[in-house]
Formats: sequence, C-alpha cells, structure tokens
Amino acid sequence: EVQLQESGPGLVKPSQSLSLTCSVTGYSITSNYWGWIRKFPGNKMEWMGYISYSGSTSYNPSLKSRISITRDTSKNQFFLQLNSVTTEDTATYYCARYKSSSLVDYWGQGVMVTVSS
Amino acid sequence: DVQMTQSPSYLAASPGESVSISCKASKSISNNLAWYQEKPGKANKLLIHSGSTLQSGTPSRFSGSGSGTDFTLTIRSLESEDFAVYYCQQYNEYPLTFGSGTKLEIK
Repeated sequence: EVQLQESGPGLVKPSQSLSLTCSVTGYSITSNYWGWIRKFPGNKMEWMGYISYSGSTSYNPSLKSRISITRDTSKNQFFLQLNSVTTEDTATYYCARYKSSSLVDYWGQGVMVTVSS
Repeated sequence: DVQMTQSPSYLAASPGESVSISCKASKSISNNLAWYQEKPGKANKLLIHSGSTLQSGTPSRFSGSGSGTDFTLTIRSLESEDFAVYYCQQYNEYPLTFGSGTKLEIK
C-alpha cells in the first residue's frame, strides 16, 4: 500500500525558509505525480504544487516565486522548500500522490508548521 | 481560479440517517470533482472522483452526483465511522481548488 509521511521542523521563524520532506513507501516516485497541499487554520485548503515522474514541476502562481519542490529518487523522497515565510504560512502541510496528473488519491497525515518568532 | 462553494459548513445527524453535502463551482468543471474524508490522526481518504465514481474501498452508502457546476455528496444510513470532515475539490484546471469543508457530527 502506498504510504506517505511528512517530516520537518514544526516551528520556523519569519523570513526564513520552511523545508519539509515526504518519505514514500510502497510505490516509486519515478511514477505518477507527487505534491504538496496545505490547510490553514480555519480549514481553507491550498494546492501548492507538484513534481512529476520525470522531475518537471508545477506551482500555484500565488507561491511561484517562493516555492520549490525537488526529489531524491534514490531515497524515494520528495521535498518542499518555501522561502521568506510569514505568519500567514502557518498551516498543516500535506504531501500527496496524484492518481493522474491532477487527481490526488493518497495523502500523508500532515505536519503542522507554525511561523513565529 | 475556480472557486468552490461548499455547504453546509456544519451538519449534525444521527446514525442511520441520510445526509447531503453540496459543492458549487464558479464555472463549469465538467465532472472533474473529487470528495475527500478527513479524520483526526488519519490520512485524508479519496472517496469519490469524476463526480460520481466510487474510489476502490469506498462503501456503497456513499454516492456522488452532478456535473458542470453543481455537485452533491450523499451518505445513506450513516454509520459511526462516517462522522468526519468532508471536502470537495475540483481538478479540472490548475490551480486545484477546494471547498471549505463540511463537518459532520453526531446529533
């Protein structure tokens, strides 16, 4: 069964970078698409972006200048980096697998990240 | 971006009852709509895609309907495990967008 697990710091200071790892078991990240979604306090969900089986990426235009999604196929992991964070980036971050190029079929449990000094 | 308007935001029902959740898109998304279930401490679960197609493992008491801009998730004969938060999400175009969620609680 496909399983995804997020990891990373739970607290990040404003203006710094947020870095998260998604470790995948049960399926190779060299197939399908893989990405990040976040949920803000108050439950609003935001699609952040994905990295494809070939390594190409697509990002939400609202984040385009700050976000980077990369991968390490040897470890079957992919990563999120979000630069210049503010308190408005406080959210629960989920990694996910896409069944097709746009339909998410598997989610991680999520990791809560707080941006605060 | 496609705006997804989900209602109600809160719903209270008893086991055995049936409930419906609405999701409206700001423009036509064909049938490219998914429904997810969220429970504390668990990974979100894809219940329905393509508006009405049950994902493998989704109980038959769940059903989805609609196309274009108006969609509905119906749960018949509620069971205790169904009390959760439900989200709709359109995947017709990027950026993918979500409804605001419906919390289904036991009455």
